[in-house]
Amino acid sequence: ETGVTQSPTHLIKTRGQQVTLRCSSQSGHNTVSWYQQALGQGPQFIFQYYREEENGRGNFPPRFSGLQFPNYSSELNVNALELDDSALYLCASSLPSMTDTQYFGPGTRLTVL
Amino acid sequence: AQSVTQLDSQVPVFEEAPVELRCNYSSSVSVYLFWYVQYPNQGLQLLLKYLSGSTLVESINGFEAEFNKSQTSFHLRKPSVHISDTAEYFCAVMRAGSYQLTFGKGTKLSVIP
Repeated sequence: ETGVTQSPTHLIKTRGQQVTLRCSSQSGHNTVSWYQQALGQGPQFIFQYYREEENGRGNFPPRFSGLQFPNYSSELNVNALELDDSALYLCASSLPSMTDTQYFGPGTRLTVL
Repeated sequence: AQSVTQLDSQVPVFEEAPVELRCNYSSSVSVYLFWYVQYPNQGLQLLLKYLSGSTLVESINGFEAEFNKSQTSFHLRKPSVHISDTAEYFCAVMRAGSYQLTFGKGTKLSVIP
């Protein structure tokens, strides 16, 4: 059984640029959630996708957007990068039941200079 | 809205000693409760969860947590820690009917040989 994978592992961007982060779900999982983990903080929920539709959103501005593809892989896009966007971005996949465990990937470390 | 408070940011403990990592939550509705562990440079792994039923839940590696509704707590305990337990531990809540995990800021457990 393949776990959740994310790419790239690390990324460095400058302010104002755009970035795309990718996530492949665990086999059989059709729900993907994205979280932002700033240094020294717990992860914060960005949004969730189910069957290619956004299924819930946290307190993040519209410049954070996402996609889910028919194979359940997902992308997180961030436009107009700001210094505070520097963080570890975690993807988690699960089955659609709200009590099902969310399985996390290793994350992408984004640094904005 | 839900919130989670992890009362200790760092907990050093000697090997084979007992440990308790404290977690309190705030919510006006029913919640599910989780503990996740994060090893260095890795994503989050589910340690245990409380959904309903018995208030004492156990993990396969010797951790346990007890849901205390009156004190709104979900403290994590282990009677005898090992070096391999050194990691950061995150308590999280999910409002019943939601898919969003709300995390605390984490507790770094350091096991001293």
